[in-house]
Amino acid sequence: GEDVEQSLFLSVREGDSSVINCTYTDSSSTYLYWYKQEPGAGLQLLTYIFSNMDMKQDQRLTVLLNKKDKHLSLRIADTQTGDSAIYFCAEKVMEAAGNKLTFGGGTRVLVKP
Amino acid sequence: DTAVSQTPKYLVTQMGNDKSIKCEQNLGHDTMYWYKQDSKKFLKIMFSYNNKELIINETVPNRFSPKSPDKAHLNLHINSLELGDSAVYFCASSQGGRRWESTDTQYFGPGTRLTVL
Repeated sequence: GEDVEQSLFLSVREGDSSVINCTYTDSSSTYLYWYKQEPGAGLQLLTYIFSNMDMKQDQRLTVLLNKKDKHLSLRIADTQTGDSAIYFCAEKVMEAAGNKLTFGGGTRVLVKP
Repeated sequence: DTAVSQTPKYLVTQMGNDKSIKCEQNLGHDTMYWYKQDSKKFLKIMFSYNNKELIINETVPNRFSPKSPDKAHLNLHINSLELGDSAVYFCASSQGGRRWESTDTQYFGPGTRLTVL
């Protein structure tokens, strides 16, 4: 089955690190993604990781994947006020007809000065 | 040079009306999607088209009819609007492709906020 879950809310102080967690159920997922949604805006792709990788780093972002536990996390180093947004993890699910993304419910990150 | 664009950005209408939302992508992608985001921010796929052909239809009421005049456009027409249709609708596109190892990354439009009164 397809089910992606995230915690609802995270509050962090400016300059600290943020860690957003996600669990998924489809073991056949090949790619997992992190998207950012700012208020009133669309979804911005932040990063993604292939399922045969454990870690991917991209500037302030570090993605960790534990495939055995089906656990994905996004770490944001030196969190800034501009990082306040909703963060969605998503898994790519391949069906007979085509690919689709299954999203988690989103984690609202609030960065306090 | 917006990659995925949608019009209108906001749409307010009365129950029972028929309305359309338009989407265009200039990325040269083969596949386009419609997603619905409800008031709790939960995102769920509605439709997917590849080269103008419907490939995914996620048990959406038949009041919703997507139309793809060409592979760069995917429009969403909604008949007999209901209160529960109020949501933000996102269009997305990707290269497509069925290879297991391909990212097939999806790029999203800015969304259309539909309010049904």
